[in-house]
Amino acid sequence: GENVEQHPSTLSVQEGDSAVIKCTYSDSASNYFPWYKQELGKGPQLIIDIRSNVGEKKDQRIAVTLNKTAKHFSLHITETQPEDSAVYFCAARYSGGGADGLTFGKGTHLIIQP
Amino acid sequence: NAGVTQTPKFRILKIGQSMTLQCAQDMNHNYMYWYRQDPGMGLKLIYYSVGAGITDKGEVPNGYNVSRSTTEDFPLRLELAAPSQTSVYFCASRETAQETQYFGPGTRLLVL
Repeated sequence: GENVEQHPSTLSVQEGDSAVIKCTYSDSASNYFPWYKQELGKGPQLIIDIRSNVGEKKDQRIAVTLNKTAKHFSLHITETQPEDSAVYFCAARYSGGGADGLTFGKGTHLIIQP
Repeated sequence: NAGVTQTPKFRILKIGQSMTLQCAQDMNHNYMYWYRQDPGMGLKLIYYSVGAGITDKGEVPNGYNVSRSTTEDFPLRLELAAPSQTSVYFCASRETAQETQYFGPGTRLLVL
């Protein structure tokens, strides 16, 4: 099945700086890559996603890039703010048959230092 | 719309007890999912359903059962609770033609 690796596990940045979180996936048949933000005690919330036919997608301060050849994708957050502090998960959806659903990375705890 | 709702929010079970985690969505989504999240880990798929009357196993189905008698509801059943089932359980749903999954707030389960 699919395997998703996520790095780093913890990331601390100064407010206003940029943050980058990286993920790799194992199966080239995966075609959908969402990023979720999870605040303490809450369920994951989608912040941005990208499909395998697109290399980059941007939404205000958040961007995601995808390199299909290398099988990795990254989340970029610019001009970080205190409310960006949370745990971020990358995921991949396998389209090659078998169970539907997402395979998640282990998460990155993003800490924004004032 | 309330979105995806889950009950209870928190529960303590003794080993061997059984319980049902409730999940409901009011968005008329055909696809529904159950995930578990262990500390410091990503979510793992337990079971999913592509519509009423249809369920299938995910990555970690052992010790759980599901049913889908209506489009709205997708309960998860634990028959003989074990300490290894201590986790946070999330339910999610999506439209058939869309990839985005919407998650509920989770149920925290402690098995002692």
